[in-house]
Amino acid sequence: EPEVTQTPSHQVTQMGQEVILRCVPISNHLYFYWYRQILGQKVEFLVSFYNNEISEKSEIFDDQFSVERPDGSNFTLKIRSTKLEDSAMYFCASRVGTSGSYEQYFGPGTRLTVT
Amino acid sequence: SQQGEEDPQALSIQEGENATMNCSYKTSINNLQWYRQNSGRGLVHLILIRSNEREKHSGRLRVTLDTSKKSSSLLITASRAADTASYFCATDAGGNEKLTFGTGTRLTIIP
Repeated sequence: EPEVTQTPSHQVTQMGQEVILRCVPISNHLYFYWYRQILGQKVEFLVSFYNNEISEKSEIFDDQFSVERPDGSNFTLKIRSTKLEDSAMYFCASRVGTSGSYEQYFGPGTRLTVT
Repeated sequence: SQQGEEDPQALSIQEGENATMNCSYKTSINNLQWYRQNSGRGLVHLILIRSNEREKHSGRLRVTLDTSKKSSSLLITASRAADTASYFCATDAGGNEKLTFGTGTRLTIIP
């Protein structure tokens, strides 16, 4: 069964460094999302992406964040200058986008640790 | 309470018993989805129920939705040790269908 994949599974970085988290959504899916989960807290929406542009973003998704779909398979989240509070599990999700199909399928996550 | 809150926060039952978890939300929704998360791992999609549906089944899972009470329940029948995990409800309200997650119920199945 097709799955969303994410790399790396764990990323450790120093404060102020740039990180790129990578995701490969399910191949026929058209909508892509990033969420994050700070340890012990709720899963929070960051951004949604459709037709090669951001369709919605949360207040968390400030100028330090960006997303890109550089080719037909990858979907990336970049944090330009990481802060301690960016430490979290980051999940990518995708949705097929056809009428009547709203299930979002999540990847296994990337644990980002900022030191 | 915030959009998407589950209760109880934690539930421990004996293997073989049924587990019921509840989710409440505040605003109108299009769909409600339930996810399972094993400790420190990814979110596994379990089931989606639309706002015009009242009940849905999938294997040992039964989900109900009461839009008048803005609540949903997830029933896992004949629980197994492998069902030990956190369970989250997530709602969407149309548009780009961003999900708003609840706080989760930590379910422990005692062998």
